[in-house]
Amino acid sequence: KQEVTQIPAALSVPEGENLVLNCSFTDSAIYNLQWFRQDPGKGLTSLLLIQSSQREQTSGRLNASLDKSSGRSTLYIAASQPGDSATYLCAVRPHYQLIWGAGTKLIIKP
Amino acid sequence: DAGITQSPRHKVTETGTPVTLRCHQTENHRYMYWYRQDPGHGLRLIHYSYGVKDTDKGEVSDGYSVSRSKTEDFLLTLESATSSQTSVYFCAIALAGGKGLYNEQFFGPGTRLTVL
Repeated sequence: KQEVTQIPAALSVPEGENLVLNCSFTDSAIYNLQWFRQDPGKGLTSLLLIQSSQREQTSGRLNASLDKSSGRSTLYIAASQPGDSATYLCAVRPHYQLIWGAGTKLIIKP
Repeated sequence: DAGITQSPRHKVTETGTPVTLRCHQTENHRYMYWYRQDPGHGLRLIHYSYGVKDTDKGEVSDGYSVSRSKTEDFLLTLESATSSQTSVYFCAIALAGGKGLYNEQFFGPGTRLTVL
């Protein structure tokens, strides 16, 4: 059974720092992996989608990597800003259904 | 923004009453999903649709039914609401083409449902 783990559960860093969020999954047989952010009381915003054949994807200050063989993905946030404060969720797609991690709650201190 | 709206945004109801949540999209997306989000459980798929009148069950479908009579609307019905169905419900779409149901998903703003 596919399981997705995100560590740490919470992270607080000063503004301006570069940071890495981790996502690990137990079964490497996935079609793709998607990173989302969720602001308190709000919906989910898709950040990046990485297909199983890709190693990384970039969007602005965000870079997501995928190592299927080791069951790991990282989300790199460069030059963090207070507006980056949110919960970040990763989800893998072994078939039509997304399997979700519990998220990392990120706080960027001004 | 994938043109997804959900209604109502908040609802309080009593145990045993039927409840229908609506997901509306304006961009003719083929694939639509209903999820619930609960503390300690994350997001879980309730039902999904791959076209008009084509729906299937997800991992937590008991107590829920869905209908899709038009491309733009995907309805989730709790036929007899229970307190365990208190949750935040999200609708999502996946873009057409490519890998279809495996495509990137985009989410609506959510409906907070409380069953007393």
